[in-house]
Amino acid sequence: AQSVTQPDIHITVSEGASLELRCNYSYGATPYLFWYVQSPGQGLQLLLKYFSGDTLVQGIKGFEAEFKRSQSSFNLRKPSVHWSDAAEYFCAVGVLGGGSYIPTFGRGTSLIVHP
Amino acid sequence: AAGVIQSPRHLIKEKRETATLKCYPIPRHDTVYWYQQGPGQDPQFLISFYEKMQSDKGSIPDRFSAQQFSDYHSELNMSSLELGDSALYFCASSLRLAGDQYFGAGTRLSVL
Repeated sequence: AQSVTQPDIHITVSEGASLELRCNYSYGATPYLFWYVQSPGQGLQLLLKYFSGDTLVQGIKGFEAEFKRSQSSFNLRKPSVHWSDAAEYFCAVGVLGGGSYIPTFGRGTSLIVHP
Repeated sequence: AAGVIQSPRHLIKEKRETATLKCYPIPRHDTVYWYQQGPGQDPQFLISFYEKMQSDKGSIPDRFSAQQFSDYHSELNMSSLELGDSALYFCASSLRLAGDQYFGAGTRLSVL
């Protein structure tokens, strides 16, 4: 069965600093990988996804992620964090079910941004 | 742009009561998903529908049922509510195989 591990429960960075959120997955086939962001009391918003091709994926809000098959990782990065980036971030691996991709989420990483 | 609409936003019920949550997908999206997110937890997939037929089934309790109607909106029916059912319930919609799921703001269910 597929699984996702986000080793960091909380990450604290200063505004303007760079950010990297870690994600490791376990899946026997080619993974379909996603990063979602969730602000308090809100639904999840898709930041970016990897299906195939270029292993460096660009997303919205200045985020990017790199797929590394050898490390089973899909880490999320941002060169300069803004206070509005404070939120919960979920990595997910999508498994093709009955015609659609069903994501299995990691436990999430809470990003705290200091001014 | 239109987003996924969920109603109600908040719902308070007592144990053993029933609840119905509604989801209106983005226009032209043909697939609807339901998720349950407990406090401090990751979202857990419950069930999905494609073209009004059940597509995939996750960890949905037998006390819950769901359906998708001809106008593509979906309802999650929850019976014999338990304290442990208190959670955020998200609906998401997508185009089949697109992979991009768009989430609603959720319904917060509190069972007292």
